[in-house]
Amino acid sequence: EDQVTQSPEALRLQEGESSSLNCSYTVSGLRGLFWYRQDPGKGPEFLFTLYSAGEEKEKERLKATLTKKESFLHITAPKPEDSATYLCAVRSTGANSKLTFGKGITLSVRP
Amino acid sequence: KAGVTQTPRYLIKTRGQQVTLSCSPISGHRSVSWYQQTPGQGLQFLFEYFSETQRNKGNFPGRFSGRQFSNSRSEMNVSTLELGDSALYLCASSRTTSGPYEQYFGPGTRLTVT
Repeated sequence: EDQVTQSPEALRLQEGESSSLNCSYTVSGLRGLFWYRQDPGKGPEFLFTLYSAGEEKEKERLKATLTKKESFLHITAPKPEDSATYLCAVRSTGANSKLTFGKGITLSVRP
Repeated sequence: KAGVTQTPRYLIKTRGQQVTLSCSPISGHRSVSWYQQTPGQGLQFLFEYFSETQRNKGNFPGRFSGRQFSNSRSEMNVSTLELGDSALYLCASSRTTSGPYEQYFGPGTRLTVT
């Protein structure tokens, strides 16, 4: 069964203090790894898809990277508006596979 | 382009009642998935539909059911509600089930069972 573990559970940063969020996964074969951002009371917002080890994607202050066992979401010089819960999910290559989510990392950025 | 819409946004029901939630996917998206989100369990997969057929189902009791219509709109039903069914129910759509695989989520329906 596919498994996703995210760490740490919560992270508090000072504005401008760069850091990384970790997502470790176990799948029989990876079809895709996905990062989402979720604000309180809202649905998850799609950020990135990574398909193979070595792949990187960037968007503003966020950069996602992928290895064969984990993915990192690097946040450079974060701002208070980056405060949210960041979710990682994987989809395996099995027939009729589903998205399996980690429990998320709650990021708080103080001004 | 309009995003995924879900109705109603909030619901309060009593134990033993049943409830139907509705989801309209992004135009052109034919796959719809449903998730239950709770603080303790996080996002858990309920089921996925494509072309009116259920393609996959999560580990939920038979009280949870769904369907998809020919216009790709989807509904999920929960019968004989229990207190533990209180959660945020999220619907997500994607173009197909064979890729690209990004799912786009709606705002959710907050269900409270009393």
